[in-house]
Amino acid sequence: AQSVAQPEDQVNVAEGNPLTVKCTYSVSGNPYLFWYVQYPNRGLQFLLKYITGDNLVKGSYGFEAEFNKSQTSFHLKKPSALVSDSALYFCAVRDLNTGFQKLVFGTGTRLLVSP
Amino acid sequence: ETGVTQTPRHLVMGMTNKKSLKCEQHLGHNAMYWYKQSAKKPLELMFVYSLEERVENNSVPSRFSPECPNSSHLFLHLHTLQPEDSALYLCASSHGTSGSAGELFFGEGSRLTVL
Repeated sequence: AQSVAQPEDQVNVAEGNPLTVKCTYSVSGNPYLFWYVQYPNRGLQFLLKYITGDNLVKGSYGFEAEFNKSQTSFHLKKPSALVSDSALYFCAVRDLNTGFQKLVFGTGTRLLVSP
Repeated sequence: ETGVTQTPRHLVMGMTNKKSLKCEQHLGHNAMYWYKQSAKKPLELMFVYSLEERVENNSVPSRFSPECPNSSHLFLHLHTLQPEDSALYLCASSHGTSGSAGELFFGEGSRLTVL
């Protein structure tokens, strides 16, 4: 079964510092990987996805993610954090055994960016 | 106007009430989803409709009853709920073809409290 793991419940970083939110995956075959962000009292917003091609994927709001096949990881990164980046971040993998966009989500990582 | 609209945003109901959640998408997608988000748990996929046909029901209790009258509208009918059903219910839509790897587009969610 396809799955993702987010090992950190919370990540704390100071504004202006680089941030990393970790995600590892377990899939059979080639993975389709996604990152979503959820701000308080809001739905999930798509940030970026990896399907194939370059291992470094650029997304919304200055975020990027690096696909590493040997480490089965897809960590989310940003060179310089903003206080407004504080939110809940979800990693997800597409379940390729279905004919629709079934995504399996991780448990989420709360990012807190301090001023 | 957002792509996926959910109403109501907040709902409080007693265990004997009957209520419905509504979702409408304006993106021309052909698949729609209900997810349940509870505190400290991964997002749970409840129902999937592709081309207005239910394609997945993840062992959801019968007190939750979905309805998809057309590709733009999705309902979740609620009756005889339990306090543990209190959660954020998220609707999403996508292009539901098996060969694509498009992302899900989420609504803002309906916060349900069962007393």
